[in-house]
Amino acid sequence: DAKTTQPNSMESNEEEPVHLPCNHSTISGTDYIHWYRQLPSQGPEYVIHGLTSNVNNRMASLAIAEDRKSSTLILHRATLRDAAVYYCILEGYGGATNKLIFGTGTLLAVQP
Amino acid sequence: DSGVTQTPKHLITATGQRVTLRCSPRSGDLSVYWYQQSLDQGLQFLIQYYNGEERAKGNILERFSAQQFPDLHSELNLSSLELGDSALYFCASSVAPNAKLFFGSGTQLSVL
Repeated sequence: DAKTTQPNSMESNEEEPVHLPCNHSTISGTDYIHWYRQLPSQGPEYVIHGLTSNVNNRMASLAIAEDRKSSTLILHRATLRDAAVYYCILEGYGGATNKLIFGTGTLLAVQP
Repeated sequence: DSGVTQTPKHLITATGQRVTLRCSPRSGDLSVYWYQQSLDQGLQFLIQYYNGEERAKGNILERFSAQQFPDLHSELNLSSLELGDSALYFCASSVAPNAKLFFGSGTQLSVL
């Protein structure tokens, strides 16, 4: 399984944008980049995923480098509710299995 | 609320015992996944089922077993429990093997 590298922790101020980086230099051509987050005392929740092009949804944006060796999850205006552990995961899409392997993630703290 | 139901929410038992954790997936989801989360190991993928059949296996111990029933609910059986099995066990479901996952709120297992 291709690996990802994320900072252990980051801090942000409320209502400011947050850029969460992820390095995945060994990504394969069929790997999608998935982001999940885990709020305190809850199960992980899906945030966004993409393959090559940048992606936007109501929760966040995903910016993918042209060589696909890194990506950035962008929260446009952080709220206190966004304080969570953010996981960047590589996994094939469209296959018969979906074995999402979670790393240690980035613990995001949001200050009021 | 993700729509994935896990019971019980908390379970306290003794070493050597056997327990069963239950998961009801979201309506319409055919794939079920089990994860274990402990403080020192993080989120570990255990096993995936799709429409009653095992699809992928992760770091699941031989003392652990799972199955998915015709009504699509799943059970995770843990036997000969050890202190180190104390963890939060999450179930997730998805509509297809390669779709985004929806996680339940977990079962907290304490082995004393």
